[in-house]
Amino acid sequence: GQNIDQPTEMTATEGAIVQINCTYQTSGFNGLFWYQQHAGEAPTFLSYNVLDGLEEKGRFSSFLSRSKGYSYLPLKELQMKDSASYLCAVRDFSGGYNKLIFGAGTRLAVHP
Amino acid sequence: DTGVSQDPRHKITKRGQNVTFRCDPISEHNRLYWYRQTLGQGPEFLTYFQNEAQLEKSRLLSDRFSAERPKGSFSTLEIQRTEQGDSAMYLCASSSLGGLADTQYFGPGTRLTVL
Repeated sequence: GQNIDQPTEMTATEGAIVQINCTYQTSGFNGLFWYQQHAGEAPTFLSYNVLDGLEEKGRFSSFLSRSKGYSYLPLKELQMKDSASYLCAVRDFSGGYNKLIFGAGTRLAVHP
Repeated sequence: DTGVSQDPRHKITKRGQNVTFRCDPISEHNRLYWYRQTLGQGPEFLTYFQNEAQLEKSRLLSDRFSAERPKGSFSTLEIQRTEQGDSAMYLCASSSLGGLADTQYFGPGTRLTVL
């Protein structure tokens, strides 16, 4: 089966660092994506991993361990505008075609 | 590059009515996807097109739902005999075979409310 788990909510202070975790189980893993979604808006692409390790991409880096079925998104120097849902999505190829399987998202609230 | 666009942005309808949504992908993106998202959940995959061919449909897509992409450009999603459980945000995404990791880029969505 396919299962993606993320914490439901997190809170943090402006300027701080947080790490949003994601664990997954899937039979046809073909990459992991992180999206940011502000309330009422579309998901916007942040980062992508297909190999193990840290993929550095400015403020939105992401880490992947395929053997552990684990990824995290480290957010540094938090700003108020970072308050949003962060969606972890696994690209699954088990049906023969790529499709994204999303977690429920982690709602991050950044406070002054 | 104008991004993925969707129309309408909001739709309110009465139970039993038919509705149709349109998606215009990023130009030259040959892959197009439809997802449904309810409050507090991540998007759920509905269907996928490569050019004009519909290659995969989720079991979530009952026979009241139909999607087309007649010329391999824009796509439509029709829901017949709407039910209150169809109320959700319907998201369209597109990607390019050979693009960066085949990354999917999402449109702003159509929010459907069935009364």
